[in-house]
Formats: sequence, C-alpha cells, structure tokens
Amino acid sequence: KQEVTQIPAALSVPEGENLVLNCSFTDSAIYNLQWFRQDPGKGLTSLLLIQSSQREQTSGRLNASLDKSSGRSTLYIAASQPGDSATYLCAVNGVYTPLVFGKGTRLSVIA
Amino acid sequence: EADIYQTPRYLVIGTGKKITLECSQTMGHDKMYWYQQDPGMELHLIHYSYGVNSTEKGDLSSESTVSRIRTEHFPLTLESARPSHTSQYLCASSEYEGYRETQYFGPGTRLLVL
Repeated sequence: KQEVTQIPAALSVPEGENLVLNCSFTDSAIYNLQWFRQDPGKGLTSLLLIQSSQREQTSGRLNASLDKSSGRSTLYIAASQPGDSATYLCAVNGVYTPLVFGKGTRLSVIA
Repeated sequence: EADIYQTPRYLVIGTGKKITLECSQTMGHDKMYWYQQDPGMELHLIHYSYGVNSTEKGDLSSESTVSRIRTEHFPLTLESARPSHTSQYLCASSEYEGYRETQYFGPGTRLLVL
C-alpha cells in the first residue's frame, strides 16, 4: 500500500529565505506527483504536477523535483513571502488510480 | 480557476440525522472524488466516480453513500450522523491530458455532529 511522508511537519522561517519541503513515497510505481497548497479551512489548490517521466517542474518561485527511483520529491520555494504561509501537501498516484496524500507541511513565513 | 462548488460550507447537526453534502462542477469532468480530512491530518478518500452511474469505494466509505446520476453532480450522504463524522469533507474533480491527471478541489464542508 502506497504511503506518503512529508518532512518537516511544520516550518517557520523569516521572510526572504529560500526553503525546501520534502516528500517521500514507498512505492516508486507512480505516474503523477502533485504538490498542493491548502489555506486554513479551505480546499486544495494544485501548484505543480510532475509526471514520472519528468525530473522537475517550475512555476514562478516554486520548483518541484522528482527522483522516482528513490521515492523522493522536493518543493523549493525561493524568496519566501508571508503570503506563502499555508499547508503544502504532496500526493502521488498510478495510472488512473486515486491520489494518496501526505499529511502536509505547515509553513509560516514571518514578516 | 476551477468551478467546483460545495454546499453547505458549514453544518452543525444532531446525532442520528441523515445529511447530504452537495458537490457540483461545471467543467464537464468525468472523474470526481470525496475526501475526509481531520485538522492537521492527511486526506482520506471516501468515494470516487469515473463518470455517470459509476461509483467506487475508497478507504473510509463504509458509513456513507454517493450517487452519480449527472456528470456535474456528486452528492455524499450520511444515513445516520455520529460525532465521529465530525470533520472537513472535500470534493474534487479531475481532468486528464493523456495520463496526466490534475485535480481541482472545492472549498470544503465543515461538519460538526453533536
């Protein structure tokens, strides 16, 4: 059974710092890996999607990498801002199978 | 921006009541999902659907039912609410480009069962 682990569970950084969030998964037979953002009491917003054939995806200050063979992904946030404060969730799935989510990393960026 | 809606946004109800959480999307997506999420915890899949007249059970489906009579509508029903059902319920739909699946989430329904 696929399990997704995210480290750290919580992170607090001063504004302007670059930071890395980590995600690991137990079954490397994935097809998609997605990073989501969730604000308190809200739904999820998809940030980046990496297919298994890809190594990384970039969107603005966000960069996600995937090492499928080792079961790892990282989300890099450059020049963090208070508006980046949220919970970041990693999820993986196989072909036409449901996403399996990690518990998330709760990020606080202090002005 | 995704067009997926959930009602009600908040619900407080007594034990034993039957409740239906509504989810609708206007994007024409075939695949839809229901998740349950406790504070600070991961999302657990309750039910999903591949399209009209298709429903599948997830990890936590035993105390709820769903129906998919129309593409845009995927309601979740709890026949007899219990305090253990207190949680946030998130609905999602997804689009495919080949094997690439992107999920879009609704704002969620926060349920409190007294």
